[in-house]
Amino acid sequence: SQTIHQWPATLVQPVGSPLSLECTVEGTSNPNLYWYRQAAGRGLQLLFYSVGIGQISSEVPQNLSASRPQDRQFILSSKKLLLSDSGFYLCALGQAYEQYFGPGTRLTVT
Amino acid sequence: LAKTTQPISMDSYEGQEVNITCSHNNIATNDYITWYQQFPSQGPRFIIQGYKTKVTNEVASLFIPADRKSSTLSLPRVSLSDTAVYYCLVGDIDTGGFKTIFGAGTRLFVKA
Repeated sequence: SQTIHQWPATLVQPVGSPLSLECTVEGTSNPNLYWYRQAAGRGLQLLFYSVGIGQISSEVPQNLSASRPQDRQFILSSKKLLLSDSGFYLCALGQAYEQYFGPGTRLTVT
Repeated sequence: LAKTTQPISMDSYEGQEVNITCSHNNIATNDYITWYQQFPSQGPRFIIQGYKTKVTNEVASLFIPADRKSSTLSLPRVSLSDTAVYYCLVGDIDTGGFKTIFGAGTRLFVKA
């Protein structure tokens, strides 16, 4: 069965600091991978999706970037965090309308 | 992508049946209806998906009328652990691309 790992589980970072969140998946090959962000009490915002190694599509222009260096690894990065980057970051895999989500990373930017 | 409208919140009591309705007036011919459940501090979980009439699994039932302009997620005999946010999504599962849109969902609160 498919498994999604995300780390860290929680993170507190100062404004202006860099960010690196990692997502790895098991039990599947060449998955479609997604990064979402969820602000407190809100719905999910699709940030990036990837259909293969090195293939990244950005949905929201902002100070975040994503990379997919390996088939089952998806990384979310930022060079300088903003207060508005706080939220719950979720990695998912699957097809557009049947996705499976990881445990998430809760990021607080102070 | 078809826009969906759901109630912001609902309250229920343990043991009751809960029906959450989603409106999607602009649903396209090839669109499917998908529901997710999200518990606090967890990612959403796929519950059920359907195209027309009725679909049932071990978790819920999905009722879709003939005109497909709305759908109803039915949770039988809810328990406290069904307290969660429920999202309705509509789109073409084959050619709809990857741009899924999760709205605010319906926040269900089950009371003892």
